[in-house]
Amino acid sequence: DTAVSQTPKYLVTQMGNDKSIKCEQNLGHDTMYWYKQDSKKFLKIMFSYNNKELIINETVPNRFSPKSPDKAHLNLHINSLELGDSAVYFCASSRERGETDTQYFGPGTRLTVL
Amino acid sequence: EDQVTQSPEALRLQEGESSSLNCSYTVSGLRGLFWYRQDPGKGPEFLFTLYSAGEEKEKERLKATLTKKESFLHITAPKPEDSATYLCAVLARGSWGKLQFGAGTQVVVTP
Repeated sequence: DTAVSQTPKYLVTQMGNDKSIKCEQNLGHDTMYWYKQDSKKFLKIMFSYNNKELIINETVPNRFSPKSPDKAHLNLHINSLELGDSAVYFCASSRERGETDTQYFGPGTRLTVL
Repeated sequence: EDQVTQSPEALRLQEGESSSLNCSYTVSGLRGLFWYRQDPGKGPEFLFTLYSAGEEKEKERLKATLTKKESFLHITAPKPEDSATYLCAVLARGSWGKLQFGAGTQVVVTP
């Protein structure tokens, strides 16, 4: 029944580790996104994929690498985690990559780097 | 540079006390303005999309309006379950899905 789902919901790890967050949508949408919400609750886009093609790649450290095995899934892999990576990461999807399409968000993954 | 500013940062209301939230924006060619509600520990939940000045949308106790420079989210006779952070976001011409969010307004409605 869930439209956009993410796993895990919580992720606690040590500095220097590599971790992945998975996202799946069952809405039949063509476009998926990753957003980061920092401690001040400000949401900022990181990446966007349309039909498995990267279309938005904001100024994000190259330790972050998105991967889309198919248009229903978009995973986020983070290498060499740093303290500043601690945040809540949200996945979202929209029907197309148009300028008017509503984006629907997942429940978020709270990443804590110790 | 595109900018989205929400005010106030926080709002405390008594149950039944109507109020309005403001979202002012500066973008080069607005394609859509979105309102979301976010509860603690959850993802943003879509409320409304407004596309052109003069447009209004309503849902239960919420009503969103849009002008060429700002949008208002009016909360009429709020209930405690309306407590949440309300986020405004815009899509600009040529953005191709790059939603730009404001910092949000945290609303607390007390019985």
